[in-house]
Amino acid sequence: GESVGLHLPTLSVQEGDNSIINCAYSNSASDYFIWYKQESGKGPQFIIDIRSNMDKRQGQRVTVLLNKTVKHLSLQIAATQPGDSAVYFCAESVNDYKLSFGAGTTVTVRA
Amino acid sequence: KAGVTQTPRYLIKTRGQQVTLSCSPISGHRSVSWYQQTPGQGLQFLFEYFSETQRNKGNFPGRFSGRQFSNSRSEMNVSTLELGDSALYLCASSPHRENTGELFFGEGSRLTVL
Repeated sequence: GESVGLHLPTLSVQEGDNSIINCAYSNSASDYFIWYKQESGKGPQFIIDIRSNMDKRQGQRVTVLLNKTVKHLSLQIAATQPGDSAVYFCAESVNDYKLSFGAGTTVTVRA
Repeated sequence: KAGVTQTPRYLIKTRGQQVTLSCSPISGHRSVSWYQQTPGQGLQFLFEYFSETQRNKGNFPGRFSGRQFSNSRSEMNVSTLELGDSALYLCASSPHRENTGELFFGEGSRLTVL
């Protein structure tokens, strides 16, 4: 995997490798977290979400990890594919009907 | 099931004009949110509506307004346009009533202010 720990605005990954995208959230009261993928010219698309009473959740090829102690969220993508090239956003919510989005990480998959 | 539909997809306005953007949520979704996306500020929350009531509003000037109709369709309006209002305006709908959950986004309305 690559880029553990720090949020990076860009991430270049070899096809077939695992990717790790990091996100630091700001509000310790946030109880819901979500990852979105946005491809060029499209709206954000849901990837996976997690509530604050969990620290890990798995989906198809994706895993989200939540560390509330250091207010850190990460998205792991297994066996990265060319179709995974996109901008990835994390977002948090405190049950106030809105999501607060992070700055985004642009993932480029190298063939 | 059809996704979130936003119209128009692209529009160009000049400073001082006003604009109205429309959003049709996924059938059965009663919550509609609006977000502004710019390269500099990222995705910023504008407002959220549920059953025609605004439940939350972001930190935008009063020139930005919205409403929701009884059929859950929503519109947002920006008056006295400024160059900085150029952005992608995203609408999202949700089936969730009580808690924030997954939002389903449309493809956005790209506004250019000249």
